[in-house]
Amino acid sequence: GNSVTQMEGPVTLSEEAFLTINCTYTATGYPSLFWYVQYPGEGLQLLLKATKADDKGSNKGFEATYRKETTSFHLEKGSVQVSDSAVYFCALRTIRDNYGQNFVFGPGTRLSVLP
Amino acid sequence: KAGVTQTPRYLIKTRGQQVTLSCSPISGHRSVSWYQQTPGQGLQFLFEYFSETQRNKGNFPGRFSGRQFSNSRSEMNVSTLELGDSALYLCASRSGPVRDNSPLHFGNGTRLTVT
Repeated sequence: GNSVTQMEGPVTLSEEAFLTINCTYTATGYPSLFWYVQYPGEGLQLLLKATKADDKGSNKGFEATYRKETTSFHLEKGSVQVSDSAVYFCALRTIRDNYGQNFVFGPGTRLSVLP
Repeated sequence: KAGVTQTPRYLIKTRGQQVTLSCSPISGHRSVSWYQQTPGQGLQFLFEYFSETQRNKGNFPGRFSGRQFSNSRSEMNVSTLELGDSALYLCASRSGPVRDNSPLHFGNGTRLTVT
């Protein structure tokens, strides 16, 4: 079946450090890939997405490139801020015939950024 | 545009009772999905509705059910509550139809505690 694997957290960084959160996936067909972020007490918010191989998704300084050859979608940011502290979820979506879409989420990686 | 609205935000119930959670999607969105989020199991897919029809279902027992109304609003019901049903229940909407690439937009969830 489809699955998403993320690096274990928590990840603790100092402000302005470089961030990488690894994500690899297993899926049949050609999934779309997403990163979502969850702040305390809130639901998940879409951070970025990529729908085909070699696409790069970007938003708010975060980037991720869809690598089909390594089945990866690693999240990066050049300089993190305290406000980036949250839980980050990697997810994939496949189409299930014509009757719905399957979204599969990774376990999440908690990021803490210290001032 | 208003986001996904879930009510209530918090619920406390006793084992054996039943509960109904409500979700209003973003205006114009026709697909609604439900997820259960727990620290141990992460995000698990419950079901997806589109045009009042269940399109996809996760691996949850029959105690978990849902429905969607003609205005796209959705409810989920859990009967005969168990302690293990304590979780954050997230609703997500997307514009649909089935095969489009629109991402999920999440509400802030309903925190259910079963005692």
